[in-house]
Amino acid sequence: EAQVTQNPRYLITVTGKKLTVTCSQNMNHEYMSWYRQDPGLGLRQIYYSMNVEVTDKGDVPEGYKVSRKEKRNFPLILESPSPNQTSLYFCASSLVLEGSYNEQFFGPGTRLTVL
Amino acid sequence: AQRVTQPEKLLSVFKGAPVELKCNYSYSGSPELFWYVQYSRQRLQLLLRHISRESIKGFTADLNKGETSFHLKKPFAQEEDSAMYYCALLGETGNQFYFGTGTSLTVIP
Repeated sequence: EAQVTQNPRYLITVTGKKLTVTCSQNMNHEYMSWYRQDPGLGLRQIYYSMNVEVTDKGDVPEGYKVSRKEKRNFPLILESPSPNQTSLYFCASSLVLEGSYNEQFFGPGTRLTVL
Repeated sequence: AQRVTQPEKLLSVFKGAPVELKCNYSYSGSPELFWYVQYSRQRLQLLLRHISRESIKGFTADLNKGETSFHLKKPFAQEEDSAMYYCALLGETGNQFYFGTGTSLTVIP
């Protein structure tokens, strides 16, 4: 089944404890992206990647890192999480044909709480 | 600055009534716009893209460059249309996406 998977789905952690949220897609998509969803703010893009080893900042990259060593995986790293990073995080991937974006496929979301 | 505005957080309509979810954008040039929908306990999914000019589940959206709008419309709302709707814009770099704050639609039986 074509899909985007994220792990973990739920995570409660403490300030300063490094964590990684994994994202994987099995559709051979070039484009992958991370978003955070906060009440009243909608979805905001954190980082995106056009292909392996190609990543770029979105609207709210502060406090986050990403890597794209393989086409299928796009982990989100919080080196030193803080309470303002408590949020619902979505990973997404998309096929890009001749510069045109097709549908972004979204993961199920990871609910992160930083105490 | 590139931005997407969805002025209504909540919208309620009766079944069978027309529905319009508003989306305004700020962008210099020809925008690429999308509507995404999130049904209860389901993943966010694409509803339609303006570039394909499709009608999905009876919904349509017309790009109005003069009013910088991309409102989502359906002539007769159904109960299964109750969901969260997001308007999204592909930014000028061609790689970054901007989403609105979303509109929660409730269709009253």
